[in-house]
Amino acid sequence: AQTVTQSQPEMSVQEAETVTLSCTYDTSENNYYLFWYKQPPSRQMILVIRQEAYKQQNATENRFSVNFQKAAKSFSLKISDSQLGDTAMYFCAFMKENTPLVFGKGTRLSVIA
Amino acid sequence: NAGVTQTPKFQVLKTGQSMTLQCAQDMNHEYMSWYRQDPGMGLRLIHYSVGAGITDQGEVPNGYNVSRSTTEDFPLRLLSAAPSQTSVYFCASRLTSGAYNEQFFGPGTRLTVL
Repeated sequence: AQTVTQSQPEMSVQEAETVTLSCTYDTSENNYYLFWYKQPPSRQMILVIRQEAYKQQNATENRFSVNFQKAAKSFSLKISDSQLGDTAMYFCAFMKENTPLVFGKGTRLSVIA
Repeated sequence: NAGVTQTPKFQVLKTGQSMTLQCAQDMNHEYMSWYRQDPGMGLRLIHYSVGAGITDQGEVPNGYNVSRSTTEDFPLRLLSAAPSQTSVYFCASRLTSGAYNEQFFGPGTRLTVL
């Protein structure tokens, strides 16, 4: 079974600074998808960014980017120019096609003014 | 599109009571799932369905039943509520095939079992 590990239960960052959240996963598959979800205090799950394993180029969405290292099974999220609205739980998730999404335990990020 | 809807948003039960958490989606998604979220545990899969008439167990299925009679609806039944089922429950849906496979989540149901 696939597992997803987020080794940082909590992190904090100063407003406007850059922070990186770590995620590693375990799989024997070659084709799969990786995601980062944000959960603000409203509890709503919001997709931040996704990466297809067959794509070597790292995904980028505005201030959010990933560092995808397939051989190392690592998928970290970098948030640049952190904003107060980035304060949330962040979940890393793994999925093969036609199987359920598997989540890590999450990292609570606090952005400090 | 309303997306994924869940009712109720909050519920308090007594031990031994039964109830059904409702989930519906209007995006014609084949794949639907139920997760529970507990502090420090992330989201854990309870049950999922790849289409009408097909369901399967996830990581933590004990104490829960599901059925999928239509593409749109995927209710979760608690047969005899226990305090260990106090949690936030999320329903999610996605297309089974396709390049992006984005999973959409409902707003969640906070359940307290006394």
